[in-house]
Amino acid sequence: DAKTTQPPSMDCAEGRAANLPCNHSTISGNEYVYWYRQIHSQGPQYIIHGLKNNETNEMASLIITEDRKSSTLILPHATLRDTAVYYCIVTTLTSSGTYKYIFGTGTRLKVLA
Amino acid sequence: DTGVSQDPRHKITKRGQNVTFRCDPISEHNRLYWYRQTLGQGPEFLTYFQNEAQLEKSRLLSDRFSAERPKGSFSTLEIQRTEQGDSAMYLCASSLAAEPTDTQYFGPGTRLTVL
Repeated sequence: DAKTTQPPSMDCAEGRAANLPCNHSTISGNEYVYWYRQIHSQGPQYIIHGLKNNETNEMASLIITEDRKSSTLILPHATLRDTAVYYCIVTTLTSSGTYKYIFGTGTRLKVLA
Repeated sequence: DTGVSQDPRHKITKRGQNVTFRCDPISEHNRLYWYRQTLGQGPEFLTYFQNEAQLEKSRLLSDRFSAERPKGSFSTLEIQRTEQGDSAMYLCASSLAAEPTDTQYFGPGTRLTVL
């Protein structure tokens, strides 16, 4: 089962910041939070990841609460091209040594003109 | 473009036929993953390779499914005796093993329709 909970849908006005929340209350100390997005009929696109510090890259910012039980993905100036399903994932280390992704159903973000 | 590529992008087949999909990972990525995604759901893990070794398989991967990565580069996923329930998007991802975590990069997917 997915280890994250996200709202099923959100709207955001074009040019405004989009703040996408994610709850991961059962996260363990060495598990990372990853964010991907999937535009219709395409493969998931990596956005950002973090462990406990806030992270920023050219696409987005990731804010992780101090207790690590939740996080927020911030798209600072949303455009129509940011309309997509956004997935928050907590990676799970498997016995074979890789990090398994367990996807939930994500948040469908619609950017409005 | 040096991303993950998948072929074909679309496949329509009749029930009972066999199909094979190919995935070419990002060059030098030693880990390769297959996922399946049905309409309205997130991707579900199917199997994982490190180099040519298949190290993990999901219970979703029935005995009609087989995956190979013979030389540790490209991979194939074969479905035998397809069923209508196999209709889905099949996604491939690759990563470079790194500590403390590694990031998976996904291909565009192969959409399978079983009639």
